[in-house]
Amino acid sequence: AQKITQTQPGMFVQEKEAVTLDCTYDTSDPSYGLFWYKQPSSGEMIFLIYQGSYDQQNATEGRYSLNFQKARKSANLVISASQLGDSAMYFCAMREGQGWGKLQFGAGTQVVVTP
Amino acid sequence: NAGVMQNPRHLVRRRGQEARLRCSPMKGHSHVYWYRQLPEEGLKFMVYLQKENIIDESGMPKERFSAEFPKEGPSILRIQQVVRGDSAAYFCASSPRGTSANEQFFGPGTRLTVL
Repeated sequence: AQKITQTQPGMFVQEKEAVTLDCTYDTSDPSYGLFWYKQPSSGEMIFLIYQGSYDQQNATEGRYSLNFQKARKSANLVISASQLGDSAMYFCAMREGQGWGKLQFGAGTQVVVTP
Repeated sequence: NAGVMQNPRHLVRRRGQEARLRCSPMKGHSHVYWYRQLPEEGLKFMVYLQKENIIDESGMPKERFSAEFPKEGPSILRIQQVVRGDSAAYFCASSPRGTSANEQFFGPGTRLTVL
């Protein structure tokens, strides 16, 4: 069964606009972590933001924020004030349990920022 | 502090040959993960190792694939008798030991092409 679902294969967004990337997850483990990574066309994986299942507040890192809705099992990424350099593939991932362990990735969302 | 290093960055093999992919984790990191990304797909977990131990190999194909992380030296992912379906990007990630480590730091990946 798919553990991480990203339903948007691709999105266009205008420069300076905000964009929300959807991510839903499935786990019965009460302890888990949620991650977002960016993969530009050059191919490297860049960590953006992390949310722990017990964190009370939504995570924020600069222009990135994570809209964590635990009851709905969703962890949407919001990118504010989009820039041309934000054009990339974005992956949501989950680690079940505490600390170390494998990440399970979604299929990704391709974001294209237009001038 | 150098990041996760992988070499080679690009590797071309003919069917039936062996491929050896190397990963040097970040300094002080003793947890290594290998992931595979097929074209147009998200990353799929392969194996999780600590020094001299395989912790989780649930994502490794049963045949032809092996991984090690010796006491000294880099982690090695070895693919014997490669086939065209092994063509993919192989990413290594590392995380530190000690307290709950939330982030996995990714290397630049090795792009394997099987002719």
